[in-house]
Amino acid sequence: EAGVAQSPRYKIIEKRQSVAFWCNPISGHATLYWYQQILGQGPKLLIQFQNNGVVDDSQLPKDRFSAERLKGVDSTLKIQPAKLEDSAVYLCASSFLAGSYNEQFFGPGTRLTVL
Amino acid sequence: SQKIEQNSEALNIQEGKTATLTCNYTNYSPAYLQWYRQDPGRGPVFLLLIRENEKEKRKERLKVTFDTTLKQSLFHITASQPADSATYLCALEEYRFSSGSARQLTFGSGTQLTVLP
Repeated sequence: EAGVAQSPRYKIIEKRQSVAFWCNPISGHATLYWYQQILGQGPKLLIQFQNNGVVDDSQLPKDRFSAERLKGVDSTLKIQPAKLEDSAVYLCASSFLAGSYNEQFFGPGTRLTVL
Repeated sequence: SQKIEQNSEALNIQEGKTATLTCNYTNYSPAYLQWYRQDPGRGPVFLLLIRENEKEKRKERLKVTFDTTLKQSLFHITASQPADSATYLCALEEYRFSSGSARQLTFGSGTQLTVLP
């Protein structure tokens, strides 16, 4: 079974530039998550999709971050404009909500450095 | 405010010993608690899930306990090996919405475990 795919793996940009990350979840997984992981911290949920609808985006800085999940499969996360404090690893995860079990499968992440 | 705390210091142990990692939480009423392993440059990998009505869960050399009175989970790795060296994350799962359709994880900051040969 193929895992969660993310690209690019690394990105370096100047502040105020824009950047986009792509995620392809595991086939059949209805729920997709984007997390931000700052060095030395645990992942922090940014947004959660159920199929192609947003379930929770309460922790997404909407003035600069946006995300979409077209056709309930792939997803993109965009930052525009980037700030220095956005330097982090952006993790995508997916899960198949079967009953009450919610194991999440994570991709390798995209390491973003904002200069 | 809600808080999840894991061992504040990195943990170094000798190969063959049992590693014990702690996860304490406040102001949560989690339905589940999960443990993940994260290696450098990789995403977290699920290890174990324990429900609020379970006291203990085992999987091979791993054991997790969950004490909702103490608001604490302990994660044990017996007969530890250098390959067990990684960061271990605990995560609490809560129902955020009345519909129960949005199950979300809140992660602790992790404990970095090093098993010395």
